Parts: sequence; structure tokens; C-alpha cells
Amino acid sequence: DQQVKQNSPSLSVQEGRISILNCDYTNSMFDYFLWYKKYPAEGPTFLISISSIKDKNEDGRFTVFLNKSAKHLSLHIVPSQPGDSAVYFCAASLSYSGAGSYQLTFGKGTKLSVIP
Amino acid sequence: DSGVTQTPKHLITATGQRVTLRCSPRSGDLSVYWYQQSLDQGLQFLIQYYNGEERAKGNILERFSAQQFPDLHSELNLSSLELGDSALYFCASSVEMRTGELFFGEGSRLTVL
Repeated sequence: DQQVKQNSPSLSVQEGRISILNCDYTNSMFDYFLWYKKYPAEGPTFLISISSIKDKNEDGRFTVFLNKSAKHLSLHIVPSQPGDSAVYFCAASLSYSGAGSYQLTFGKGTKLSVIP
Repeated sequence: DSGVTQTPKHLITATGQRVTLRCSPRSGDLSVYWYQQSLDQGLQFLIQYYNGEERAKGNILERFSAQQFPDLHSELNLSSLELGDSALYFCASSVEMRTGELFFGEGSRLTVL
């Protein structure tokens, strides 16, 4: 059972426009949500996160929105740039007892292509 | 550069064989995580170690095992390999934070023929 879902495998956006990547989750116990970006032949890199007690977090061109009642989060990139072309993974964190104990569950990713 | 080092980068082997993947975490990070990424799949959590002790297990097969050594490097052992084990295996490390931010290595691509 997939607890974190990214229903769009790919997304194409014109340079300068807004990119919106979506993610749905099923487990209401998740306490942090994260977005990772992955370029080919590289490991995923952390982009931005949001606590489950917030509904918005902004970092430069990147904003993540969380709608807990809908169990939905989205990543907005404004303006989109060609260098943003990558696979974006949504992830949710579940902490459990013990120091440093949390588990990240990832979605399957959305490939973003920003067209110059 | 995330500071997490994985070796080898590429590995080709035959079914039934055994391989060992190695990971050196970022300096100071006590937690090491192993993830598997198969074709068209997301990152599947395999196992976590914290300061030498197993902390959590995910979808790790019984043919797979891992350990974290006193110097904090970790090894993932894959045995009796099958074609379906072909995948990218990522190691990640983290500090003691609840936010879930992980630092990933570049991955080891395993091809089983």
C-alpha cells in the first residue's frame, strides 16, 4: 500500500511560469513532509520541508503548501527555470521512539521539464 | 557533494552471486539509511542503523543484510541475487533531527544478469 503518492509521472512547464507538483498521503501520523530533487546520475538532494503543524513554508522560489484535511501537499516553483528540470520526490517522515529515529517514505517522483 | 560516499558506483554480476555495497556517511552523522530504487519505482526504504545498532527495517528481503561498523561506515550485503534485484541502491546519512532531512550518496547501480 503506497502511503505517499505522486500521481503525475511527468510535468512540462514553460520557463518563467509556475510549476506545481502534487503529492497525496494516507498516514495521518506523518509529522514532516519533504521535497527532494534528483538529477540523473546523482543522489536525491533535500529541497524544502514543512512541519505537519504548518500550512506553508517558503524558501526563495520554492513554496510548499500542506492541506492536512485533504492529506495533500504541493510544491510551487516560481518562476521556473531550465535548471529546475529534474525528478522531484515527495517524502513524509514518521518519527518513533529513540534518538534519530524516523523513517522517510517516498513517492515515485514527478519528472519536471522546464522548456526554455 | 553531499559528503556521503558510496562504492562501487556500478556493479555487474550474475544471478546467485553475492555482493557488498559500502557507504561512508557524512562526518558526524550517526544514522545511516539504505534505500532501493528500481525501475519506475520510488525510493524504497530498506534499513536504518544508528550508531552501530539496527534501528528500523523496511522492505528488506531476508537475502539482504546490513551492518554499521564502529567507524560508522555501513555495508549492505545482497546474496543469492536475482534479476529483480537490479536497481540503484542509495545510502543516506543524517544528524539527530526529527525533520527527516537526509543526505544521499550518488548510489550504487547493481545489474544482475
